[in-house]
Amino acid sequence: AQSVTQPDARVTVSEGASLQLRCKYSYSGTPYLFWYVQYPRQGLQLLLKYYSGDPVVQGVNGFEAEFSKSNSSFHLRKASVHWSDSAVYFCALSATSGGNYKPTFGKGTSLVVHP
Amino acid sequence: AQTIHQWPVAEIKAVGSPLSLGCTIKGKSSPNLYWYWQATGGTLQQLFYSITVGQVESVVQLNLSASRPKDDQFILSTEKLLLSHSGFYLCAWSLGTGDYEQYFGPGTRLTVL
Repeated sequence: AQSVTQPDARVTVSEGASLQLRCKYSYSGTPYLFWYVQYPRQGLQLLLKYYSGDPVVQGVNGFEAEFSKSNSSFHLRKASVHWSDSAVYFCALSATSGGNYKPTFGKGTSLVVHP
Repeated sequence: AQTIHQWPVAEIKAVGSPLSLGCTIKGKSSPNLYWYWQATGGTLQQLFYSITVGQVESVVQLNLSASRPKDDQFILSTEKLLLSHSGFYLCAWSLGTGDYEQYFGPGTRLTVL
């Protein structure tokens, strides 16, 4: 069985501060990992993805994430947040072998950026 | 470029009434298709997925059904709405068997009164 845990339901930061949103996964194989963002009343948009190779992956709008197999983590980071980054962020996992059609999402972390 | 369209944008329905929500994907042949439900508070629950026309798999039982009548169309429906059906319904597509990122539609907001 696979699972994704986002331990922080809500994170509040000031504009210009650095950010880390945590994601822990559980999966016996090598996972495909994703971060999505959801702005109010909209669908989800892909921020970045990790399939293999360099454990630090770059995404849109200055976001990056680091994969750690030893820690089973895929934390999202940004050096300096903007008020427009306020949104809900979802970490997700997909299996590497065919036949698994149930991508697993974390419960999401609501990010509030104070101006 | 691929586009994904959901209709309607929003619905207000009475308990016990029928429901039909639609999703169309243009610019991509034979995509995998997914329906998700999102409660207030944001948790995503996958409802159905489909890898080909006429074939739909249920992930959870919520008194809803889904159909894929065409390669580019995915329909979510029920004959009798419950209060618990209120929420945000998202359609998504992906290239492959779950190993690939998903592309989400704009969603349909459903309020059941």
